[in-house]
Amino acid sequence: ETGVTQSPTHLIKTRGQQVTLRCSSQSGHNTVSWYQQALGQGPQFIFQYYREEENGRGNFPPRFSGLQFPNYSSELNVNALELDDSALYLCASTKGGTYNEQFFGPGTRLTVL
Amino acid sequence: DAKTTQPNSMESNEEEPVHLPCNHSTISGTDYIHWYRQLPSQGPEYVIHGLTSNVNNRMASMAIAEDRKSSTLILHRATLRDAAVYYCILGWAAGNKLTFGGGTRVLVKP
Repeated sequence: ETGVTQSPTHLIKTRGQQVTLRCSSQSGHNTVSWYQQALGQGPQFIFQYYREEENGRGNFPPRFSGLQFPNYSSELNVNALELDDSALYLCASTKGGTYNEQFFGPGTRLTVL
Repeated sequence: DAKTTQPNSMESNEEEPVHLPCNHSTISGTDYIHWYRQLPSQGPEYVIHGLTSNVNNRMASMAIAEDRKSSTLILHRATLRDAAVYYCILGWAAGNKLTFGGGTRVLVKP
């Protein structure tokens, strides 16, 4: 069984640019959540998608947006990048809605210069 | 969201048990207690969760106080691979949004 995968592994952007991060869910999982983890801190919830619809959002501005595709893979888009957006972005998938545990990918390390 | 309080760090010797405390005095009646851990350079991984009764699985055990205001994650025999940051999280479902705090950094000494 293939786990959650994320691409790219690392990414460097400059302030003001836009970025798209990708996540492939674990097989059979229809729920995807995205988290931002700043250095030395715990992950912070960005949003969750269930069957292609947003199903909850954390305290992040609208320039953070997402998509979930029919195969349950997902994208996180961030517009107008700021220096504080530098972080590890984690994707997590869940089987069968929100009752079951989340399986996390290894993350994408984004550096904004 | 109800908050949890955990020690910043703990040390243990290899093959000895580790008891990780978590205080959650404002827990609501519908909050489950979840534990995730994050090994170095990896995403978090699920460890265990429960509501009222003590629970066990292949990774760990969790003891929940009768008033549910605290819980303890128990690693029965620590290995070097158990060195990680352990997060205690409250929420109504394991797959719902997780509110991570600072966690407890566990160091396992050989």
